[in-house]
Amino acid sequence: DTAVSQTPKYLVTQMGNDKSIKCEQNLGHDTMYWYKQDSKKFLKIMFSYNNKELIINETVPNRFSPKSPDKAHLNLHINSLELGDSAVYFCASSQGQGAVGNEKLFFGSGTQLSVL
Amino acid sequence: DAKTTQPTSMDCAEGRAANLPCNHSTISGNEYVYWYRQIHSQGPQYIIHGLKNNETNEMASLIITEDRKSSTLILPHATLRDTAVYYCIVIPPTNAGKSTFGDGTTLTVKP
Repeated sequence: DTAVSQTPKYLVTQMGNDKSIKCEQNLGHDTMYWYKQDSKKFLKIMFSYNNKELIINETVPNRFSPKSPDKAHLNLHINSLELGDSAVYFCASSQGQGAVGNEKLFFGSGTQLSVL
Repeated sequence: DAKTTQPTSMDCAEGRAANLPCNHSTISGNEYVYWYRQIHSQGPQYIIHGLKNNETNEMASLIITEDRKSSTLILPHATLRDTAVYYCIVIPPTNAGKSTFGDGTTLTVKP
């Protein structure tokens, strides 16, 4: 079984559309994350949830809205898609919040979003 | 957050040890050094982490200098499947995820 799974793997859409990416983890972890990897391959944190509570919200346009129905799921909804949103989005999870900096991140396989 | 500096790319012959350096001169005393790798089109994969002491697991060894300002990831017997981008990151004491993965080192293992 895949530990962190996200769907879809590829998403091609027109500018202005609204789309969602789903993520699920079966590791029993408390914390989930969304990362964005741009064309230069920088991987940057966007959001983090711990037990359904938002704990990290980096400088991300409010067109991006994460939703965590339970601690095993963290979905990413994007409104009014723009060309610059094209990137690979990775979901990840960790056991805790890394309060002692001793946490491993487990990543999904990524969703390649292409906005035309 | 402490920044890290890594060489852009490295080559290694198959079967030989691959030594990947990382500078983190502004690391704080309670920050951990983590290594991940990203094989093309996949999500990053955890390799190893450490605080002060050298660490070894089934994948690699991590050597951290005494002043903690730099570290080296060692893949003892590199294979073609180890070709990937290797990221060295420093984790702040609160929240493991709040780290940006930088450029990393593209390791190419050649036959």
